[in-house]
Amino acid sequence: DGGITQSPKYLFRKEGQNVTLSCEQNLNHDAMYWYRQDPGQGLRLIYYSQIVNDFQKGDIAEGYSVSREKKESFPLTVTSAQKNPTAFYLCASSVHGTRDGYTFGSGTRLTVV
Amino acid sequence: ELKVEQNPLFLSMQEGKNYTIYCNYSTTSDRLYWYRQDPGKSLESLFVLLSNGAVKQEGRLMASLDTKARLSTLHITAAVHDLSATYFCAVEITGTASKLTFGTGTRLQVTL
Repeated sequence: DGGITQSPKYLFRKEGQNVTLSCEQNLNHDAMYWYRQDPGQGLRLIYYSQIVNDFQKGDIAEGYSVSREKKESFPLTVTSAQKNPTAFYLCASSVHGTRDGYTFGSGTRLTVV
Repeated sequence: ELKVEQNPLFLSMQEGKNYTIYCNYSTTSDRLYWYRQDPGKSLESLFVLLSNGAVKQEGRLMASLDTKARLSTLHITAAVHDLSATYFCAVEITGTASKLTFGTGTRLQVTL
């Protein structure tokens, strides 16, 4: 079955450490996205990519980095510069105009210890 | 900058009652989406509204879009406990790059 796979489901980060969240899709979607969700809040866009080897900053890109070397993969690195990284991270991919225009992964919950 | 506002933020309602969640947005949009999220889970797609006057219904939920007023509504008919969740609207702006901007969400609690 086609879908988006995010891993790991839970991730713990020590102060000053970089961590990478994985996002893989087999839907043949061109566009991929990373969103951050804090408790009781909506989703905010971190980075997005419309094609391979190209990506753009979203609303809260500081302290994060991404790469898009393959169509299927869009990993997110949370760097030590991100001072408050504890959150729920959702990856999405898209095709337009249908009910399933955006497909979301199951999420990664990142906690700073 | 596109702003998307939902109200109410929290809604407690009894089973069998009707209620409406409102989603206002600040700029012209191409599409509007509604999602459901259960605690600790990802987003489940409910509706996508593509044009002015669009109305979609599934089960006890009905969504509508008024692009002139920049308003979408999600109407709940005869609520049941299983509808308890957080509901988000999201506005899509297309162009050279398409992306979703989300509202703050409405946490719905349906009590017996």
